[in-house]
Amino acid sequence: DSGVTQTPKHLITATGQRVTLRCSPRSGDLSVYWYQQSLDQGLQFLIQYYNGEERAKGNILERFSAQQFPDLHSELNLSSLELGDSALYFCASSVPNSPGGPNYGYTFGSGTRLTVV
Amino acid sequence: DQQVKQNSPSLSVQEGRISILNCDYTNSMFDYFLWYKKYPAEGPTFLISISSIKDKNEDGRFTVFLNKSAKHLSLHIVPSQPGDSAVYFCAASDSGTSYGKLTFGQGTILTVHP
Repeated sequence: DSGVTQTPKHLITATGQRVTLRCSPRSGDLSVYWYQQSLDQGLQFLIQYYNGEERAKGNILERFSAQQFPDLHSELNLSSLELGDSALYFCASSVPNSPGGPNYGYTFGSGTRLTVV
Repeated sequence: DQQVKQNSPSLSVQEGRISILNCDYTNSMFDYFLWYKKYPAEGPTFLISISSIKDKNEDGRFTVFLNKSAKHLSLHIVPSQPGDSAVYFCAASDSGTSYGKLTFGQGTILTVHP
């Protein structure tokens, strides 16, 4: 158990639907990151939150949104789903960091496998 | 724009021999590099890292080498064991601006045969 909890583990839904993926970070970690891994692709950075605020945005589609709540858990909302959104979605958390500070890497959850049919 | 590239999708090695996984990057602002290992149905786990002020970092059987002029890093596993069979991801960070965001390569599937 990495300490980062993602639910659900598997999700099957139809095109056009909306889903919410949930992530609880490791205790004490303030930063949460979302990554997408499609077939034969590396991990693509979607978005980062730090203590409730959005800090960095990657190649996240407008149909996707995220937030981090006061208890630090985060949710990734995917709407108007398309077949191409089928992927593994990983959440990771890390100790607080700031520009110029060291990055010791972070801890990943086991992922949510989304299948859009 | 793939800023971190792992050009070998797969690598097969005999148990006890050396495994060498390679990674190239294009962004000269990257100053911290990491390797992650991923087993099926699990999230990636941190393996080893190196700062751009160093050219080598060792941790047990794992050594990472960094060649900044070539924008190239490699992970050496000696000796390789069947339990090392996994997908290995190279990642890079620009600590000055990224707030911890990592840019990952596509991964290399390592298979270690007994």
